[in-house]
Amino acid sequence: QSALTQPPSVSGSPGQSVTISCTGTSSDVGSYDRVSWHQQPPGTAPKLMIYEVSNRPSGVSDRFSGSRSGNTASLTISGLQAEDEADYFCSSYTSSNTLLFGGGTKVTVL
Amino acid sequence: QVQLQESGPGLVKPSDTLSLTCAVSGYSLSGGNWWGWIRQPPGKGLEWIGFVYYSGNIYYNPSLKSRVTMSADTSKNQFSLNLKSVTAADTAVYYCARHSCSVSSCYVDHWGQGTLVTVSS
Repeated sequence: QSALTQPPSVSGSPGQSVTISCTGTSSDVGSYDRVSWHQQPPGTAPKLMIYEVSNRPSGVSDRFSGSRSGNTASLTISGLQAEDEADYFCSSYTSSNTLLFGGGTKVTVL
Repeated sequence: QVQLQESGPGLVKPSDTLSLTCAVSGYSLSGGNWWGWIRQPPGKGLEWIGFVYYSGNIYYNPSLKSRVTMSADTSKNQFSLNLKSVTAADTAVYYCARHSCSVSSCYVDHWGQGTLVTVSS
């Protein structure tokens, strides 16, 4: 099983929106609502931001939103803030009862 | 609030077995979730290792399956990871994590703080 595909980096100015893509296959990203997103600021553990494609856990800002089209899922951060600077990883459950992660995307706030 | 804490040696010799334990507090290991391990080599991405249910059901990453063993101890409310025949490529931060699962999906909803394990002689 191959890792999910994410762009290495995206950047934006404060207040702007950025979108991170996550591409898989019909056995993982494109199947059911299996995608989650995790934020990892430097030197810290990851934190769940989005689950089942578009659901936010309690306490996560509504500036974070998720969607999916076919085998590609997306995470959008609206109203970009300095505190959003971090690595973001997508993850998907698979038809083989395993989890896959993307390679990670570094978000830089200019 | 659920908390997970990894423990184990920070240095392991090549060809030895890496052993880690994750203590869970604020939530019962038999509460209906799956409990697993994820690792992150320095400066790299995340790799899922596997997860275990309190009753003993287990799923492993196929790429590590031949070297991995996981177990859950409900009496101590903790679960463990053993990775045998380690090499330098197994050097990573190891995270324990709670997974929430439905009929068709699973995701990590709580992470431990992580522990760095270095494989070196």
